[in-house]
Amino acid sequence: DTGVSQDPRHKITKRGQNVTFRCDPISEHNRLYWYRQTLGQGPEFLTYFQNEAQLEKSRLLSDRFSAERPKGSFSTLEIQRTEQGDSAMYLCASSPAGASGNTIYFGEGSWLTVV
Amino acid sequence: SQQGEEDPQALSIQEGENATMNCSYKTSINNLQWYRQNSGRGLVHLILIRSNEREKHSGRLRVTLDTSKKSSSLLITASRAADTASYFCATGLGTDKLIFGTGTRLQVFP
Repeated sequence: DTGVSQDPRHKITKRGQNVTFRCDPISEHNRLYWYRQTLGQGPEFLTYFQNEAQLEKSRLLSDRFSAERPKGSFSTLEIQRTEQGDSAMYLCASSPAGASGNTIYFGEGSWLTVV
Repeated sequence: SQQGEEDPQALSIQEGENATMNCSYKTSINNLQWYRQNSGRGLVHLILIRSNEREKHSGRLRVTLDTSKKSSSLLITASRAADTASYFCATGLGTDKLIFGTGTRLQVFP
């Protein structure tokens, strides 16, 4: 399967713990995006990378959130000191270039439940 | 913040009927993309329409775009129970990211 891969698919954690999600984009896609989606809502943009450079971060991305893409391939999204409000599905997506001209492909998402 | 608003928020139809969903947005765009999402799953890309296009087809799907009204529509013809899902429009802006609408929940009854 050459689609966008996310791991883990489900994570239950206690409030205050740190969690990390991994995303492997479609190979040769130089753009990688993270979105967050809560029940009944559309996905909300968090951040995106072109290769290893993080080009934009949403105001939704508080100081507790950090994303990296160290070698321009896979990416990690870490949430420190989780809060119940962080419970959501975290979606990763990739594209060969910017959204202005190309399809963005999404993974299956990583569900986070903070108890 | 959400860029688009889908209408209706929910739609229930019988198999074989057509389903039409509308999307309105607020700012100028480079392109508009429609996605489908089955419950608890990721997003599946359906169609991309560029700002200089007015209509595109893909199988049973027809998308129109009216940039003067800042609106788009997605028509699913001869719907099937497997079309039951949430449908989102997403607008591509010059900043190279997609901004999603609130979605239409489609239920197709056998």
